[in-house]
Amino acid sequence: DSGVTQTPKHLITATGQRVTLRCSPRSGDLSVYWYQQSLDQGLQFLIHYYNGEERAKGNILERFSAQQFPDLHSELNLSSLELGDSALYFCASSHRGGAKNIQYFGAGTRLSVL
Amino acid sequence: QKEVEQDPGPLSVPEGAIVSLNCTYSNSAFQYFMWYRQYSRKGPELLMYTYSSGNKEDGRFTAQVDKSSKYISLFIRDSQPSDSATYLCAMSAVDSNYQLIWGAGTKLIIKP
Repeated sequence: DSGVTQTPKHLITATGQRVTLRCSPRSGDLSVYWYQQSLDQGLQFLIHYYNGEERAKGNILERFSAQQFPDLHSELNLSSLELGDSALYFCASSHRGGAKNIQYFGAGTRLSVL
Repeated sequence: QKEVEQDPGPLSVPEGAIVSLNCTYSNSAFQYFMWYRQYSRKGPELLMYTYSSGNKEDGRFTAQVDKSSKYISLFIRDSQPSDSATYLCAMSAVDSNYQLIWGAGTKLIIKP
């Protein structure tokens, strides 16, 4: 168990809908990262938060947004969902996100858009 | 050209073989190198972490970094069917604010 908790495990929804994925980082970790992994594809970095502030953006669509709350949990919001958004969404956390940026991953949320 | 190149495989070897997994990279500023293992549809887990050049060994796993060639390797000795997974390399540098840059992952299959 990595100590990173993601909910829900599975999510099935329809095109055009909006969903929220939740992540609780490991105790003491200040950085949270979100990744998207489509079937048989690599990890696509979406966004990084450190202690409540956005630190870096990757290939995140404008329809997607995220935030990190004072208790350090994070939420990824996906709106106007399309079939192509079906993927595994992983959250990872690290202590600070600087040098020796070892990231610990959650089990992921599997999103199916029908 | 991607910053980190990794052959997606699949790489299929018999049980007991020595496996060599590799990544090449273009940014000479990378200092921190990691190998993650990902079982099908599960979250990646850290296997090995190395700083700068050299070797690091942990049980049946050895990570090797050759900064002059911009090449990193992960060796698995006495491979087991339970080693069947996708192996992802990742690396970071101060000039990219230590954001991890990921390889695409190599799918490894160990045949009993």
